Amino acid sequence: AQSVTQPDIHITVSEGASLELRCNYSYGATPYLFWYVQSPGQGLQLLLKYFSGDTLVQGIKGFEAEFKRSQSSFNLRKPSVHWSDAAEYFCAVGLADTGFQKLVFGTGTRLLVSP
Amino acid sequence: DTAVSQTPKYLVTQMGNDKSIKCEQNLGHDTMYWYKQDSKKFLKIMFSYNNKELIINETVPNRFSPKSPDKAHLNLHINSLELGDSAVYFCASSQTGVANEKLFFGSGTQLSVL
Repeated sequence: AQSVTQPDIHITVSEGASLELRCNYSYGATPYLFWYVQSPGQGLQLLLKYFSGDTLVQGIKGFEAEFKRSQSSFNLRKPSVHWSDAAEYFCAVGLADTGFQKLVFGTGTRLLVSP
Repeated sequence: DTAVSQTPKYLVTQMGNDKSIKCEQNLGHDTMYWYKQDSKKFLKIMFSYNNKELIINETVPNRFSPKSPDKAHLNLHINSLELGDSAVYFCASSQTGVANEKLFFGSGTQLSVL
């Protein structure tokens, strides 16, 4: 069955430091991969997505992610974290169920930013 | 203008009651979804509709009945509420519903069943 694993439940990073959030997926074909961010009390917002082409994708708010087929990974990175980046981050695989999208989410990683 | 709006934001009710959550999107999208987020923040799809037609029903109990009067609205009615229904319910929409599309999420409805 298709699945998404985010091994880190929470991560604390100092403001200005770099960030990498891990995501591994299990899927037979080339997946459609997404990173969403959820701020407290809010819905999810798309940061970036990958479905073909360049394996390094750029997103909003200075985030990027790299698709590595050999490692079944799609890790999210940011070179310098800001306090406003504190949130819950979700990796997801987009499946074409009956031709329509069904997102399978990882369990999320909570990012804490220390001063 | 809020792109995907859902009401109410909070819903506290007793076991056995029936309640509804409403969702509207003003993006002109064809596809709408309901996702459930449990207390551990795990998100799982419940339903999706495309142009008012049910596309995905992810083995959700019959007590949950979505209704889409038009493609801009997708409401969720829940009968005989149980403690385990306590969660945050998110409505979302996407342009056509294909697998690589961006979803636009509402801000969620926190349901607490006592």
